[in-house]
Amino acid sequence: AQSVTQPDARVTVSEGASLQLRCKYSYSATPYLFWYVQYPRQGLQLLLKYYSGDPVVQGVNSFEAEFSKSNSSFHLQKASVHWSDSAVYFCALSMPNTNKVVFGTGTRLQVLP
Amino acid sequence: AQTIHQWPVAEIKAVGSPLSLGCTIKGKSSPNLYWYWQATGGTLQQLFYSITVGQVESVVQLNLSASRPKDDQFILSTEKLLLSHSGFYLCAWSPGTGGDAEQFFGPGTRLTVL
Repeated sequence: AQSVTQPDARVTVSEGASLQLRCKYSYSATPYLFWYVQYPRQGLQLLLKYYSGDPVVQGVNSFEAEFSKSNSSFHLQKASVHWSDSAVYFCALSMPNTNKVVFGTGTRLQVLP
Repeated sequence: AQTIHQWPVAEIKAVGSPLSLGCTIKGKSSPNLYWYWQATGGTLQQLFYSITVGQVESVVQLNLSASRPKDDQFILSTEKLLLSHSGFYLCAWSPGTGGDAEQFFGPGTRLTVL
């Protein structure tokens, strides 16, 4: 069965530091992959998405993610975080030709000033 | 521009009481619509999706039902609330089918069942 694993429930980094949030997926074929961010008491906003092609995808606010088929991973990265990046980040998998989406458990990012 | 509105913003209800949550999308015809449930501090669980008026597919059974009475409206309801229904309910829309379209989320409804 398809699944998304975000192994880090919480990540704390200092402002200006680099960031990697991990995401591993399980799916028999190549899925569509997304990273969303959720600020307190709000809905989710899309950061970036991967469908095919270049495994490194660029998103909003200087976020990027790298797809690895061999590792079944889609890690989110940012070179230098800002305190305003503090939020919960969700990795999600969508199965082609369906309308079903599976979300990971989320990673709560705290950026210390 | 498309906008998505959810109502109410928050609800406090008693166990066993009925519930109706609504979602409206403006500025987009024939969107795909979705309902998600998020336990406090938890992940999102897809509940239902709809690709056209009058048609709703259930993804997981949580003693809830959904309906799409109009092209731009999606309703989530139950006749009897359980404590386990507490959480954050999110409505979302996407412009296409096939799984490759990003979803746009509403602001959510916070439900507390006592």
